[in-house]
Amino acid sequence: KQEVTQIPAALSVPEGENLVLNCSFTDSAIYNLQWFRQDPGKGLTSLLLIQSSQREQTSGRLNASLDKSSGRSTLYIAASQPGDSATYLCAVRTGGTSYGKLTFGQGTILTVHP
Amino acid sequence: DGGITQSPKYLFRKEGQNVTLSCEQNLNHDAMYWYRQDPGQGLRLIYYSQIVNDFQKGDIAEGYSVSREKKESFPLTVTSAQKNPTAFYLCASSIAGGGGELFFGEGSRLTVL
Repeated sequence: KQEVTQIPAALSVPEGENLVLNCSFTDSAIYNLQWFRQDPGKGLTSLLLIQSSQREQTSGRLNASLDKSSGRSTLYIAASQPGDSATYLCAVRTGGTSYGKLTFGQGTILTVHP
Repeated sequence: DGGITQSPKYLFRKEGQNVTLSCEQNLNHDAMYWYRQDPGQGLRLIYYSQIVNDFQKGDIAEGYSVSREKKESFPLTVTSAQKNPTAFYLCASSIAGGGGELFFGEGSRLTVL
């Protein structure tokens, strides 16, 4: 059974700092890994999708890396801003297809203070 | 704009009542999903559908029912058999193939009075 863990559970940083969020998973036979952002009371917004054959994906100030062999992914946020404050979730898809089971982590609550 | 629309955003229900949450998407996605989110428990899959007129149970299907009569629509009914229905419900969709990227609606918060 796939288990996904996100560390830390909460993180508070000053504006402008570069930061790293971690996601670890127990079964390395993944199809893809997706990072999401969730604002309070809202749905999830897709940030980055990394296929199992890829090592990293970038979008603006965000960079996500994937190391299947060690069961880890990191989300790097450069030059953080107060608007980045949200809960960040990673989700791992297994089963070998795009319809495979998706397992979510519990999320990291990020607060960026001015 | 393309997206996933959930309604209502907030819903209150008395015990013993069935309620139906709406989910509509205009992304032309094949697969649709319903998740439940509770504090401290993460997202849990209720039901999913890969194609019209077909759906499968997820991890916590008891007390819920769905239908998929149209590609664009995947309504979720929370029945009176659901013991603890108060939660935040999220609908999602993805395209067949295409890497399986998942997109979510804005959610519906159900409170049982």
